[in-house]
Amino acid sequence: DTGVSQNPRHKITKRGQNVTFRCDPISEHNRLYWYRQTLGQGPEFLTYFQNEAQLEKSRLLSDRFSAERPKGSFSTLEIQRTEQGDSAMYLCASSLGQIEAFFGQGTRLTVV
Amino acid sequence: KNQVEQSPQSLIILEGKNCTLQCNYTVSPFSNLRWYKQDTGRGPVSLTIMTFSENTKSNGRYTATLDADTKQSSLHITASQLSDSASYICVVSGDGGSQGNLIFGKGTKLSVKP
Repeated sequence: DTGVSQNPRHKITKRGQNVTFRCDPISEHNRLYWYRQTLGQGPEFLTYFQNEAQLEKSRLLSDRFSAERPKGSFSTLEIQRTEQGDSAMYLCASSLGQIEAFFGQGTRLTVV
Repeated sequence: KNQVEQSPQSLIILEGKNCTLQCNYTVSPFSNLRWYKQDTGRGPVSLTIMTFSENTKSNGRYTATLDADTKQSSLHITASQLSDSASYICVVSGDGGSQGNLIFGKGTKLSVKP
């Protein structure tokens, strides 16, 4: 296990299309977080899971966004009907409880 | 409201010089404080994690301090190198708080020039 893995690394999509990102956390990490980061800003919290349960969702997560972690392992983040404002880096992190969170390399989304 | 404020927003220094980055927080109750380094276009990488009882922690040329009474932390970089150019993000973990208990600062963008 080499850490948190995110796929794809880059995604370019046309406005109105749906996109899905995948995050594979470190094995046995029970917590998984999704963040959005725009240029020059710190990561903004979107949602987090403890095992398969989605415990919290940010107001940033509009109804076009949905995240799942069906078996408590990998997670997907789907954005429907993408808008140009969705262009950002989407970061995934995992942790064992509240011990240190490890981040993936992110998925850079560009909506044209 | 739980918040993490970092200063300065950006900093330019010459290679070989030292610098100190600041982090003030209002997160309560407090669990731990982390400093991350984020290279452009990459995910954040942990530098240090400090609990309530720790005042100082070093990781190579990086030294973090924590004053839990004043709710302040600093990250000191000694003998800077070009590879230190990155954003440095302070993250505070609270007990039972929201946002998955991780509150992020907006980061300090450090540029090290030759």
